[in-house]
Amino acid sequence: KAGVTQTPRYLIKTRGQQVTLSCSPISGHRSVSWYQQTPGQGLQFLFEYFSETQRNKGNFPGRFSGRQFSNSRSEMNVSTLELGDSALYLCASTSGSTSYEQYFGPGTRLTVT
Amino acid sequence: GENVEQHPSTLSVQEGDSAVIKCTYSDSASNYFPWYKQELGKGPQLIIDIRSNVGEKKDQRIAVTLNKTAKHFSLHITETQPEDSAVYFCAASKADKLIFGTGTRLQVFP
Repeated sequence: KAGVTQTPRYLIKTRGQQVTLSCSPISGHRSVSWYQQTPGQGLQFLFEYFSETQRNKGNFPGRFSGRQFSNSRSEMNVSTLELGDSALYLCASTSGSTSYEQYFGPGTRLTVT
Repeated sequence: GENVEQHPSTLSVQEGDSAVIKCTYSDSASNYFPWYKQELGKGPQLIIDIRSNVGEKKDQRIAVTLNKTAKHFSLHITETQPEDSAVYFCAASKADKLIFGTGTRLQVFP
C-alpha cells in the first residue's frame, strides 16, 4: 500500500504571496491532519479533516486554511506569506475517526524569502 | 492546553547499549501515546504506541512504558544500532490531535 504523498516537496515563495500544498492520504484513510515543523516551535498541529469537514483546529492565524475533497485528498493554503511561515509542513493520515495511528508523509519544505 | 515535555534533548550511546527517552504530559484525559522516529529529510515514522489502558508494550528491541498516575511515559531501545540514530518524538492525544514533545536527538556510535 502506498504511503502518504505530499506535493510539492520543496517550494520557495516571496513574502506576501500565497501557497497551496497538497496531500494524498494512504488509500482507505479518511482523516488527514496537517502539522508545521520548525526548529524553534517543533511540531505543531494546524488542523484536521475527516469526511471533508474540519473537525479540529490549532492555534494558527486565519491565513492558514485547508480543505478536504471527497476522495480524502487534502490541501492547505497559506495566504500573505511571512518569513516566519518558513517550515516543513507535514500531512498525516489515519484510517479511523481519531488521531490514533497517524502516518506521516515526507513533508513540503516551504521557504519564504 | 495539553503540554508534553521530553528529555533529554540529545542522547549519545555506544552501539549495543540501551537508550531511554522520557516524556511527561499535563492533561490527564490523554489516552494515546505514540512515539515517532524522524530521519533527516523524512517525515516522522510511527515506531510504537500505547493506550492508557496498558502499562507496557514491547516490539522487538523497543518498548514503551506508561505511568498514568505520574503522567509519565518512556521509550526504551535495547541493543542500539547505528541505524537507530535519528530524532525521536513522543506525543500525547485525547483522540483529537497529537501534541508533540520537543524531540530527542539520539546518536549511536559504532
